[in-house]
Amino acid sequence: GAVVSQHPSWVICKSGTSVKIECRSLDFQATTMFWYRQFPKQSLMLMATSNEGSKATYEQGVEKDKFLINHASLTLSTLTVTSAHPEDSSFYICSAEGETSTDTQYFGPGTRLTVL
Amino acid sequence: QKEVEQNSGPLSVPEGAIASLNCTYSDRGSQSFFWYRQYSGKSPELIMFIYSNGDKEDGRFTAQLNKASQYVSLLIRDSQPSDSATYLCAVNPGGGADGLTFGKGTHLIIQP
Repeated sequence: GAVVSQHPSWVICKSGTSVKIECRSLDFQATTMFWYRQFPKQSLMLMATSNEGSKATYEQGVEKDKFLINHASLTLSTLTVTSAHPEDSSFYICSAEGETSTDTQYFGPGTRLTVL
Repeated sequence: QKEVEQNSGPLSVPEGAIASLNCTYSDRGSQSFFWYRQYSGKSPELIMFIYSNGDKEDGRFTAQLNKASQYVSLLIRDSQPSDSATYLCAVNPGGGADGLTFGKGTHLIIQP
């Protein structure tokens, strides 16, 4: 149980284009989903917290107009990187927190974004 | 600023020995603590979580928490080469539906 998927697993795009990443909880309903970013040799940094049916909460320094998050259902959250630039190239990982008594987060396999 | 500190390593341990990984955190009000394993190019995989002071054992893994010292550790018994990875300590500061604060991770190498 507690499987989280992401699509695509990797994407290469041209500078200025937008990229959408999907995060799905496959066998549980995720009341809250999180988006993290990991640059090479760095740890995971929380970008935003997403609750179903409400606006995402962004961490300080993360541009909400650049990183659009939609959490339309209890099993799907999307992250759209708008007008991507080479400095946005990173490993984007989502996690989902289920409806159990613990606050354990289960991570998706990640999406590696390369902006040329 | 809430911080989680780990020694980046690499920590080299002979196969079959005990690997000891340590983590300190700055937010005294933190409620829950997690250890994740991350292989190169992959996303983190949950190993254990711990909420209360003391030890928690799961197979070859033991997590230890000391809230007074703001210290969390992970022991891996009978280390195997497949345990070679980066181990991330993560803290949930609020205990609810909050994002995790991660340390930079300790790179563990198990020598055959």
